[in-house]
Amino acid sequence: AQSVTQLGSHVSVSEGALVLLRCNYSSSVPPYLFWYVQYPNQGLQLLLKYTSAATLVKGINGFEAEFKKSETSFHLTKPSAHMSDAAEYFCAVSVGNTDKLIFGTGTRLQVFP
Amino acid sequence: DAEITQSPRHKITETGRQVTLACHQTWNHNNMFWYRQDLGHGLRLIHYSYGVQDTNKGEVSDGYSVSRSNTEDLPLTLESAASSQTSVYFCASGRGDSPTDTQYFGPGTRLTVL
Repeated sequence: AQSVTQLGSHVSVSEGALVLLRCNYSSSVPPYLFWYVQYPNQGLQLLLKYTSAATLVKGINGFEAEFKKSETSFHLTKPSAHMSDAAEYFCAVSVGNTDKLIFGTGTRLQVFP
Repeated sequence: DAEITQSPRHKITETGRQVTLACHQTWNHNNMFWYRQDLGHGLRLIHYSYGVQDTNKGEVSDGYSVSRSNTEDLPLTLESAASSQTSVYFCASGRGDSPTDTQYFGPGTRLTVL
């Protein structure tokens, strides 16, 4: 069975600092992994996804994530945080060979000026 | 532009009442999903559909039902609302071609059961 674990329900950074949001996965088959972002009072939107084509995935708004099989991780990073990055971020994994998703519990990112 | 909408955006109801939450997408997607979002749990799958007349139970389906009579709509019904069903509900849709397909989410419905 697939699952994802997001370490840290809250992360706070200063504007301009590195953003690192952690996601570890468990999967008995090669996983497809996703990061979604939820801005206040909105639905989720896709940031990026790992489809096995490349281990380093670039997404929207300057975010990227690296798939590391040896560490079963898919951490999300951004070199320099912006105030507009304040949101909740969800890691997700596809269930088997379907498009059903299992989501992590989310990490709320706060950005301080 | 294609979109996915949910109505109502906010709903307050009483225990025992039947409630239906609407979801409408203009993407012409085959697949549609209902999730609930609760603090500490992230999003959990309630029901999903892979096409007209197809419905399937998700992780937390007890007390909920869906029906798919056309491509665009997947209404979610709470047969007899319970306080434990107070939550934010999200509908999503996807093409259904691949396990890497993006899901597109609606804005959510905040449901309070008193």
